Order: sequence, then structure tokens, then C-alpha cells
Amino acid sequence: AQSVSQHNHHVILSEAASLELGCNYSYGGTVNLFWYVQYPGQHLQLLLKYFSGDPLVKGIKGFEAEFIKSKFSFNLRKPSVQWSDTAEYFCAAVSGNTGKLIFGQGTTLQVKP
Amino acid sequence: DTAVSQTPKYLVTQMGNDKSIKCEQNLGHDTMYWYKQDSKKFLKIMFSYNNKELIINETVPNRFSPKSPDKAHLNLHINSLELGDSAVYFCASSQETGEAFFGQGTRLTVV
Repeated sequence: AQSVSQHNHHVILSEAASLELGCNYSYGGTVNLFWYVQYPGQHLQLLLKYFSGDPLVKGIKGFEAEFIKSKFSFNLRKPSVQWSDTAEYFCAAVSGNTGKLIFGQGTTLQVKP
Repeated sequence: DTAVSQTPKYLVTQMGNDKSIKCEQNLGHDTMYWYKQDSKKFLKIMFSYNNKELIINETVPNRFSPKSPDKAHLNLHINSLELGDSAVYFCASSQETGEAFFGQGTRLTVV
């Protein structure tokens, strides 16, 4: 079955620390990948997306993600986090075959000032 | 101009009642979704419509019935509400790439 898994459920960092959140997907064939962020009490917003081409994609607010096909991974990174990055982060994938956008379990990021 | 709007934002109701949540998108997308977000923040897809046709119907109690009068609207009706239905319900619409745009969410509390 198609699935998306995020390894880190709760991450606590100090400001200026580097961030890496893991995401793996299990899909066959073509897959489009996304990272979404949900700030407290708000809806989901797109951070970045990967469809094809350069496997290193840059998103808003200094976030980037790397698609590694051989590892079925799409990890999210940020060199230096800020207190305002405190939020829930969701990895998501959609396969061209199903059109179903599936989310990982989410990672709660808490950044301490 | 809100891209995906859903109403109401908050809904408090008693067990056994019937309620509806409405969703509208002005992005011209063909695909719309309903997701349920539980207390652990997990997002579970419930339904998906493409151009008014139901294409995804996950394992959801039949008390939940979606309705799409046109491709810009996707409403969710819930019969005989139960305590376990309490959650945040998100509507979304997407392009063919799957990139989805979400509404603000409806926080449903069943008492």
C-alpha cells in the first residue's frame, strides 16, 4: 500500500540549530512530493514541492529538501532554525496513478529561543 | 481573496445531531478533498472528488456523506454525530500535480 512515513515525531531545537526531518515514501512509479507546514491554530501551507528535475529543491523561509530516489526519501532541511519555525511539519506524496495525496504522521518542531 | 474557504470555522454540537460543513474554492481546480485531523495531528484522507465525481472514498462511516454540486464546491454532511467525530476537518483543492491548497479548517466538537 502507498504510504508516507516521518521518522521524527517530536523535535526540540535551540534557535540557530540545524534541522533535518526525515521522510520516506513507498510508491511505485512517478511520485510528486511535498512538505507542508502548519503553524499553531492554522491551516496547512506549502513549504516546497518536487515534481522532477534537480533533486535539491528550495522552498520558502529558507527550507530545502532533497529527493533521493534510491532511498525513497525526501528529507527537509534548514541550516538555522528560528523560534518562528515552531510548527507541525508534514511530508506528503501523490502518485500519478491514484491522484491520492497521502500525508505522513507529522513532526512537531519546537524551537526554544 | 480566499482561495479555499470553508464554513463554519467552529462547530459545537450534541451527539446524535446532523451537521454540514461547506467548502468552496476559486482556484479553478478539478480535484477537491476532505481530510480529518485528529488530536494527534494525523491527517487522514476521507474523500476526493474530481470534477464532481467521487474518486476516493476511504474507510469512513457511512454517516459521512460528501456532496459536490459543482467542481468549485464540496460539502460534507455528517449524520448522527458521535463523540469520536470531534476533530478538525480540512477541505482542500488541488491541481493535476497534486499540489493542494487547504482551507482554514473546521473544528468540530461533539458534546
